[in-house]
Amino acid sequence: QVQLVQSGAEVKKPGASVKVSCKASGYTFTSYSMHWVRQAPGQRLEWMGIVNPTGGYTDYAQKFQGRVTMTSDTSTSTVYMELSSLRSEDTAVYYCARDSGDSSGNYFDYWGQGTLVTVSS
Amino acid sequence: EIVMTQSPATLSVSPGERATLSCRASQSVSSNLAWYRQRPGQAPRLLIYEASTRATGIPARFSGSGSGTEFTLTISSLQSEDFAVYFCQQYNNWLTFGGGTKVEIK
Repeated sequence: QVQLVQSGAEVKKPGASVKVSCKASGYTFTSYSMHWVRQAPGQRLEWMGIVNPTGGYTDYAQKFQGRVTMTSDTSTSTVYMELSSLRSEDTAVYYCARDSGDSSGNYFDYWGQGTLVTVSS
Repeated sequence: EIVMTQSPATLSVSPGERATLSCRASQSVSSNLAWYRQRPGQAPRLLIYEASTRATGIPARFSGSGSGTEFTLTISSLQSEDFAVYFCQQYNNWLTFGGGTKVEIK
């Protein structure tokens, strides 16, 4: 069965960077793109961007451009999301979510368990 | 950015009863809308895509309808696992989510 297993919780200071991993299994890793979505306390889910493991194509939400980098490692079926220049507003649960692969558009058919990133001095 | 507005924010329903959740888009998203259920401490789970198509393994008590700017998720007979938060998401123009509807036990 499809599984997305994320790395553990992180605590970072303002201005630092964080790198979250998402290891995929149960399907052909290179056949599906992966998204990153975050959920800050009391806020709605927020799409951050997408990475295609085949070739490494990425597309980021304008809000995060210049601060986020999404990469993939096909040898380990793992995608990564690195967010830099962290501020307190970046405190959130970060999810990886598999793209459905549906030609009609991007929705998410499997999600990781989430990684809590806390930014605090 | 397309803004998704869900109502009500909280819905109190007794087990076995019907629940009707609404999602409105600030502009037309055609049928490019998905619904998710999120139980406390868990990741969201896809329920419905293309406004009305049930995802794999989703029971028939879940149904979606609507197109354009107005959408509805109906749960015909609430089970214990359905008391959760529900989100809509449009994928017609970038990707945005609604604020969620919490379905609680009455």
